Amino acid sequence: GAGVSQTPSNKVTEKGKYVELRCDPISGHTALYWYRQSLGQGPEFLIYFQGTGAADDSGLPNDRFFAVRPEGSVSTLKIQRTERGDSAVYLCASSLSVSTDTQYFGPGTRLTVL
Amino acid sequence: RKEVEQDPGPFNVPEGATVAFNCTYSNSASQSFFWYRQDCRKEPKLLMSVYSSGNEDGRFTAQLNRASQYISLLIRDSKLSDSATYLCVVFSGGYNKLIFGAGTRLAVHP
Repeated sequence: GAGVSQTPSNKVTEKGKYVELRCDPISGHTALYWYRQSLGQGPEFLIYFQGTGAADDSGLPNDRFFAVRPEGSVSTLKIQRTERGDSAVYLCASSLSVSTDTQYFGPGTRLTVL
Repeated sequence: RKEVEQDPGPFNVPEGATVAFNCTYSNSASQSFFWYRQDCRKEPKLLMSVYSSGNEDGRFTAQLNRASQYISLLIRDSKLSDSATYLCVVFSGGYNKLIFGAGTRLAVHP
């Protein structure tokens, strides 16, 4: 079946602009996670959803970052007033439920802030 | 100190070699442990889970030592296609999230 998909695959923006990154999880997966991966580092947790609610957003670096999952499926990560330090690969993953530890990753969105 | 620590490498080995990666984690309450593989500019993919009893999948053997909070991955008879970054990953059930190490880079050459 279809895996986790993310759009766009690449996004180049200018400092100060607003961006939205989209994640479409595997059908039937109730848990959805966002991670950020900088060059030479492993993915770092940002936020996860169980259904429509953000169960843990402790990894969001500051209030410029926000994520939603209004219908419990597709999620959007929103970054306001982008900064050069936001440049990274943003990875989305989904799992059957939060108690199921196997997470499946999407291909990521490579964000470059100029 | 990072929650999951790995030697970043790179490990440069010839085809056919045996190579071992190590990883330590700091949270003794961690519940599940994994090795993920990540190819250049690709997403991480689950390689194998790690159990205290040790587990093997073909040329790959993973081991967990809970007392020492130490995880290992052994690759035998290395292939060119094994070249990738290997990520040590810990799942904390209390927090419902994966914690990744920075990864160890492996380059297998002819």
